[in-house]
Amino acid sequence: DTGVSQNPRHKITKRGQNVTFRCDPISEHNRLYWYRQTLGQGPEFLTYFQNEAQLEKSRLLSDRFSAERPKGSFSTLEIQRTEQGDSAMYLCASSPAVLGTEAFFGQGTRLTVV
Amino acid sequence: AQTVTQSQPEMSVQEAETVTLSCTYDTSENNYYLFWYKQPPSRQMILVIRQEAYKQQNATENRFSVNFQKAAKSFSLKISDSQLGDTAMYFCAFPPNFNSGGSNYKLTFGKGTLLTVNP
Repeated sequence: DTGVSQNPRHKITKRGQNVTFRCDPISEHNRLYWYRQTLGQGPEFLTYFQNEAQLEKSRLLSDRFSAERPKGSFSTLEIQRTEQGDSAMYLCASSPAVLGTEAFFGQGTRLTVV
Repeated sequence: AQTVTQSQPEMSVQEAETVTLSCTYDTSENNYYLFWYKQPPSRQMILVIRQEAYKQQNATENRFSVNFQKAAKSFSLKISDSQLGDTAMYFCAFPPNFNSGGSNYKLTFGKGTLLTVNP
């Protein structure tokens, strides 16, 4: 399977714990995006990488959130000191750096904070 | 503000019939792309169709077509001959910073329309 892969698919954690999600984009894509999707809403942009450089972060991304993309390949999204409001689906997408091309999405990681 | 509005939270259609999902958006850009994405239950989001704003001709992909009204900032999706596999959430999306470089593929999504195709 050469699509965007996200792990884990589901994560249940206790409030206050740290969690880390992984995204493996399509190998030739140099752009990688993280979105958050809550129930009944469309995805909301969190952050964006071009190769290993994190070029933009949304105001939604509080200082408890950090994302990395070492070596410009896979990416990780870490949430520290999780809160119940962090419960959501976290989506990763990748695309080539060509105007108008589609973003390819992973299946997402569903986080539940109890 | 760059916004996308989908005014129909839920719709249903009988198999083989035609349904139209609406989307309006707000932008000050003159050239941009518009997208419809489909998110089936528990499955990943996939692109259904895209429209380039500078093209007057409406995009078509098999049973899916759009009605793009640039002046009205309207971008509706028509699904013909609906099939059971079309049951999904449908999101309208566009990159509001398309002409500003850098994150020009960051997408703004509407809240989605849940389409149910009934047998």
